Amino acid sequence: GDSVTQMEGPVTLSEEAFLTINCTYTATGYPSLFWYVQYPGEGLQLLLKATKADDKGSNKGFEATYRKETTSFHLEKGSVQVSDSAVYFCALSNAGNNRKLIWGLGTSLAVNP
Amino acid sequence: GAVVSQHPSRVICKSGTSVKIECRSLDFQATTMFWYRQFPKKSLMLMATSNEGSKATYEQGVEKDKFLINHASLTLSTLTVTSAHPEDSSFYICSARIRERGPEAFFGQGTRLTVV
Repeated sequence: GDSVTQMEGPVTLSEEAFLTINCTYTATGYPSLFWYVQYPGEGLQLLLKATKADDKGSNKGFEATYRKETTSFHLEKGSVQVSDSAVYFCALSNAGNNRKLIWGLGTSLAVNP
Repeated sequence: GAVVSQHPSRVICKSGTSVKIECRSLDFQATTMFWYRQFPKKSLMLMATSNEGSKATYEQGVEKDKFLINHASLTLSTLTVTSAHPEDSSFYICSARIRERGPEAFFGQGTRLTVV
């Protein structure tokens, strides 16, 4: 079945450091790919998405490119801030089954000043 | 747009009682709603999927008699944890999907349930 594998955390960075969180997937067909973010004590928010190969999703300085050849959707940010401290989830959605989201385990990011 | 409101955000209940959690789509009609449970330092576990006016589809291992889901209208779904026990303590999250918006899901703020 479809699955998402996400790099394990926690990740601890200093402010202004470069961030990469790896995400790879296994899926039939052409899924849509997402990154969701969960700030402490809050629900999930969509950070960015890509719906087809080579699409680049971007938001708040974060980027991820849908790479079908490597089945990856790695999240990157050039200069992280303390306010980026959160848990980041990679997910995919495939056609059918009410388009259920298949989730990675989440990667906790802590950014120190 | 596409705001999902979940209530309450926190609830503490006694063991053996029932708790109802509401999930409302405030500015759209949600064709499908999902209920998740999130364990500490774990990913989200999908509990069930519900479509308005029909019975919820539960994931394997989720007790439908314990976690009652009602999707009475296109803007409201409820999850009732019946006869709650301490092991039911968790973070419960609802999300909603709009058919016209494709696969994107919109999430409520979550409900922290503590059973004492």
